[in-house]
Amino acid sequence: EIVMTQSPATLSVSPGERATLSCRASQSVRSNLAWYQQKPGQAPRLLIYGASARATGVPARFSGSGSGTEFTLTISSLQSEDFVVYYCQQYDNWPPITFGQGTRLEIK
Amino acid sequence: EVQLVESGGALVQPGRSLRLSCTASGFSFGDYAMSWVRQAPGKGLEWVGFIRGQAYGETTEYAASVKGRFTISTDDSKSIAYLQMNSLKTEDTAVYYCSRDNYYDSSGNYFPSASDVWGQGTTVIVSS
Repeated sequence: EIVMTQSPATLSVSPGERATLSCRASQSVRSNLAWYQQKPGQAPRLLIYGASARATGVPARFSGSGSGTEFTLTISSLQSEDFVVYYCQQYDNWPPITFGQGTRLEIK
Repeated sequence: EVQLVESGGALVQPGRSLRLSCTASGFSFGDYAMSWVRQAPGKGLEWVGFIRGQAYGETTEYAASVKGRFTISTDDSKSIAYLQMNSLKTEDTAVYYCSRDNYYDSSGNYFPSASDVWGQGTTVIVSS
């Protein structure tokens, strides 16, 4: 099973600043990685797939990068609605498909 | 509008069974794989399993924690995916989400991609 490790668990950033969230895979997942955003009480929302492709309707301030075992989600110019939880997910080696434990983005 | 709506969540005693439903609309249901993902209270996301689309024989894959107890199936005529949960344990307590999976085909083989549409979730509580 591929273990996905996200860091940090909580990230404190000021509105308008840039946030960089990390996700590491225990072995290579090539570019088969997605990022999801989850607001309280809501279902996850797909942001990024294929490590760097933005899903339909996702604002351009969200970008993904990386391949192999190291991945990054960058949110430029944070808006108030961005301060929620983010998960990475690998779908390269399965079963199981695995998620990271999440990063909570909080207002500094 | 593309939409998924889960139903069937309930309070159930350990050892009992429950079936969840996921009703799809706005897309050609049989062309997609469907997944179930759960989230225990205050915890992260856990993949439960998926069922491939018609073109791939509607075969299934499961997480080790549910394999042999849970079964995913579909009724393509009704655009519904089901999650049959047997021998429920307290640790199965969670919000259960269904999702639509993208995929790609390589030489006739199915390879999953990300889940682009999610339902709102249905709550299962396993407790005596």
